[in-house]
Parts: sequence; C-alpha cells; structure tokens
Amino acid sequence: EPEVTQTPSHQVTQMGQEVILRCVPISNHLYFYWYRQILGQKVEFLVSFYNNEISEKSEIFDDQFSVERPDGSNFTLKIRSTKLEDSAMYFCASSAERGAGDIQYFGAGTRLSVL
Amino acid sequence: DQQVKQNSPSLSVQEGRISILNCDYTNSMFDYFLWYKKYPAEGPTFLISISSIKDKNEDGRFTVFLNKSAKHLSLHIVPSQPGDSAVYFCAASARNTGNQFYFGTGTSLTVIP
Repeated sequence: EPEVTQTPSHQVTQMGQEVILRCVPISNHLYFYWYRQILGQKVEFLVSFYNNEISEKSEIFDDQFSVERPDGSNFTLKIRSTKLEDSAMYFCASSAERGAGDIQYFGAGTRLSVL
Repeated sequence: DQQVKQNSPSLSVQEGRISILNCDYTNSMFDYFLWYKKYPAEGPTFLISISSIKDKNEDGRFTVFLNKSAKHLSLHIVPSQPGDSAVYFCAASARNTGNQFYFGTGTSLTVIP
C-alpha cells in the first residue's frame, strides 16, 4: 500500500540552526501538507502546497519556515533558525485532490528536538 | 482557537463492548469530517469520514454519526478489540477554507482484554 515516508524520524538540533525535514508523498498525489504537534497538544496545520506553490498557510508558518518540492518526489520543510518552541512532531501529508471531501494521508512524522 | 474539540482525553472500554468517542465543533462552515487513529511513533491513519450531507457512515465495526444542529459527531466502535487501543483524532474541513484540516486534541482509547 502506498505511504508517505518521512526522514529523519528524529532530528536533534541546536537553537538557531537550520533544519530540513524531508518527505516523500504518495506518488500520484498532487497536494502536500505539513502539520505539527507539540507534545500534549493538537495537530496543527502549517502549510499546504500545490503546483509548486503554497496554497494556504497558517499563522504559525512565519518567515522562518519554507517549503520546497526540489524534484518530482521530495517535499521538504525548512526551518531557518530553530527556536526551542519549534520542538514538536512534524507530520507530512498528501492527498490526491483538494478541498473538503478528500483524505489526507500522513507520514509517521519527524520528531524535532531543539536544544 | 479550538474549532474542533474532543473533551474526553481518555476512555477505557472492555473488549467486546461499544466504544463511543465524541467530538464537537464550532465552525458551521465545516462540511467534511474525519476520524484518524494514531499509534505511538506512527502518523495519523485515516479511519472513516462523513460529509455534512449525511448523518451516518458505516464501515465494518466503525460508524460515524453527525448531528449538524448540535455540531457534534461521534465514532462508534462495535465490538471493541484490544488492537483498537490508540489515540483517536477527529478532524474537520470546510470547502471555503481550502484543504486544511482542523484537528481535535485526541482521545486515548484503551480496550481492556
């Protein structure tokens, strides 16, 4: 069964460092997302991406964040200068279609620990 | 901004009995609702969904009920099995806000053998 894969599973970084979280969405999907879950809190939407551009972003997704689809398979989330409060699980998701009515499939997540 | 709420952080049920997980929402524009299941160290896995034009959707042991007037949905698992033990997230989306999902905080279900 096709799945969304994320690497690494755990990333430890020093505050102020840049990190890149990587995702390989399901191959025939066209819409890509990043969510995060701070420990003990709800899963929160960060950004959605379609046709090589951001289609929506939340207020969490500030100038420190960027996304990119550098090739036909990878979808990355970059945090330029990490802060302690960026520590969270980051989930990538993809869907075949856009909008209400479509299922988003999630990867296993990357746990980001900022020290 | 808690547009989707799951007020029960945990639930314990005997194997074979019914599990009922509840979810409330505040945004009347939501028109699609989903339940995801999450095991430790894994991502959320899609379980079942319902469109706002329906009030019930059933898939095997899982049934989702939607009460639009009360802005409430529930997930029924019958019969509950130990393998159902996981965290269950309710999610909602609205056509006019694109494709982001709004998640509840989750309910941890434990099915006791």
